[in-house]
Amino acid sequence: EAGVTQFPSHSVIEKGQTVTLRCDPISGHDNLYWYRRVMGKEIKFLLHFVKESKQDESGMPNNRFLAERTGGTYSTLKVQPAELEDSGVYFCASSQDGADYGYTFGSGTRLTVV
Amino acid sequence: AQTVTQSQPEMSVQEAETVTLSCTYDTSESDYYLFWYKQPPSRQMILVIRQEAYKQQNATENRFSVNFQKAAKSFSLKISDSQLGDAAMYFCAYRSPYEDTDKLIFGTGTRLQVFP
Repeated sequence: EAGVTQFPSHSVIEKGQTVTLRCDPISGHDNLYWYRRVMGKEIKFLLHFVKESKQDESGMPNNRFLAERTGGTYSTLKVQPAELEDSGVYFCASSQDGADYGYTFGSGTRLTVV
Repeated sequence: AQTVTQSQPEMSVQEAETVTLSCTYDTSESDYYLFWYKQPPSRQMILVIRQEAYKQQNATENRFSVNFQKAAKSFSLKISDSQLGDAAMYFCAYRSPYEDTDKLIFGTGTRLQVFP
């Protein structure tokens, strides 16, 4: 089966611009998660979708971040406008049975805001 | 709130030798799940091993095993017969089954270098 796919793999944008990250989960996985790792820090939870609904968005840093999951399939994470502190690696993950058995992660999108 | 601490930012090991990566966590819960994830240079994170806190037996997956010390809140990863392909970032993670959330709490990671 295909894994979790994220694109782009890298993105360099200027402060104030908009960037949209995309994640395609494993087919049939209802649970989709977004995480972020800022350089040298821990990986932090952003939000969790169950199908198209936001189950938990407690980790979203502010209203410049907007996540959507169209029809319960792929998800996008938009940052608008981007700030320097948004730089980091954004990971997407999916699971069929929830977090108790771990997730399948994508390769991440490295976002650099200059 | 639960926290996960990985006190070794970097570790190195000679090929074929054994290395242990440390992880401690803080929780007041009696049951939980612990994970080790590996992120090779290609950057896709892979689940290495999983431990359920109520199980006393340490989890093992081939060359990877854990030393789970519940009272000490320690969850170290032992890699035996290290191979060049083991070079990666390793992240320890905690999952609470009680909270109304499905998130994992990660540590800051340990970069493992493997020398031939």
